[in-house]
Amino acid sequence: EAGVTQFPSHSVIEKGQTVTLRCDPISGHDNLYWYRRVMGKEIKFLLHFVKESKQDESGMPNNRFLAERTGGTYSTLKVQPAELEDSGVYFCASSPGTPPFSYHENIQYFGAGTRLSVL
Amino acid sequence: LAKTTQPISMDSYEGQEVNITCSHNNIATNDYITWYQQFPSQGPRFIIQGYKTKVTNEVASLFIPADRKSSTLSLPRVSLSDTAVYYCLVGDAWPPGANNLFFGTGTRLTVIP
Repeated sequence: EAGVTQFPSHSVIEKGQTVTLRCDPISGHDNLYWYRRVMGKEIKFLLHFVKESKQDESGMPNNRFLAERTGGTYSTLKVQPAELEDSGVYFCASSPGTPPFSYHENIQYFGAGTRLSVL
Repeated sequence: LAKTTQPISMDSYEGQEVNITCSHNNIATNDYITWYQQFPSQGPRFIIQGYKTKVTNEVASLFIPADRKSSTLSLPRVSLSDTAVYYCLVGDAWPPGANNLFFGTGTRLTVIP
């Protein structure tokens, strides 16, 4: 079974440009999460999709970030325009379980991340 | 508000048992405890999860005392490949979100030959 895959693994862009990150969750997982770690800080939650709907986007830093999950399959996270402080590693995770799930249904499987460098 | 406290780093020799303790004094009734492991250039990987007493799987054991205000991840006979950052998360399953999915600084375990 394929795990969570993220593309690209590394992206280098200039300030002001647009970047789109993609995440393919484990097949059949309705829950998809985005996280990021910036400048050696802690991994922080960004948002949670249940199928194609945004369940919680309280962690999104500002309106330059747009996450979508068309058809409830893969997800994209677009940063437009990118700023220097957006540099970091963006992780995607998925989990099984139908809301409201119990704890053993919320084990999250993470991708390797996309390292974003904004110059 | 940080919900967990872990040592920043630990060193251990190969073949030893390693115990990493996480404090979570304000754990709520519905909260469960989950440990993740992260290698460099990889995403976190689930290790073990529990609510109370002891849980064991093929990788580790998790000890949770009756008051649940702390938990201890036990790695038997560590090897060099166990060098990683270990995160303790405490939270309710639903709804997930920033409060329940707080990774903190983790514990950097270095296994020495």
